[in-house]
Amino acid sequence: GDSVTQMEGPVTLSEEAFLTINCTYTATGYPSLFWYVQYPGEGLQLLLKATKADDKGSNKGFEATYRKETTSFHLEKGSVQVSDSAVYFCALSDSGGGADGLTFGKGTHLIIQP
Amino acid sequence: EAQVTQNPRYLITVTGKKLTVTCSQNMNHEYMSWYRQDPGLGLRQIYYSMNVEVTDKGDVPEGYKVSRKEKRNFPLILESPSPNQTSLYFCASRDGGGYNEQFFGPGTRLTVL
Repeated sequence: GDSVTQMEGPVTLSEEAFLTINCTYTATGYPSLFWYVQYPGEGLQLLLKATKADDKGSNKGFEATYRKETTSFHLEKGSVQVSDSAVYFCALSDSGGGADGLTFGKGTHLIIQP
Repeated sequence: EAQVTQNPRYLITVTGKKLTVTCSQNMNHEYMSWYRQDPGLGLRQIYYSMNVEVTDKGDVPEGYKVSRKEKRNFPLILESPSPNQTSLYFCASRDGGGYNEQFFGPGTRLTVL
């Protein structure tokens, strides 16, 4: 079946550091890939997505590129802020017709220190 | 404001006492889904619904029921809750296919004693 693997953390960085959170996936079809973010006490929000190979999703300074050859969708940001502290989930959807939901990774807890 | 609402936000109950967690969306989405979030496991899908009167099992459906009588509502029912159903539950909705964004509710933290 489908699966998503991501580093779990916690990942602790200083403000303005460069961020990479690795995500790799296994899927039978041609999935769409997502990064969701969960701030403390809140539900998940879409951060960015990519629906086909070589697409780059970007939002709020975060970027991720859909790499079919390495089955990866790593999340990057050039300079993190304290407000980026949250849990980040990599996810895939392997059914364009909408039959299935999202398959999530276990989440990466990111802590940014001033 | 486009949103998914859940009630209650927090619930403490005892084993075997039936409960319902409500979910409502105001975006006219056809697809709705329930997930549970557990430490070290991420989010796992419980049930989903493609449209009114159309529901199907997700990855962890045991011990749960759902119904979809109206497009906007998708309640999660625990007929006889057990302690292993203590978890954080999220409802979500989506327009169109799986390549589209899912909108999540704020979550319901359930404790079963």
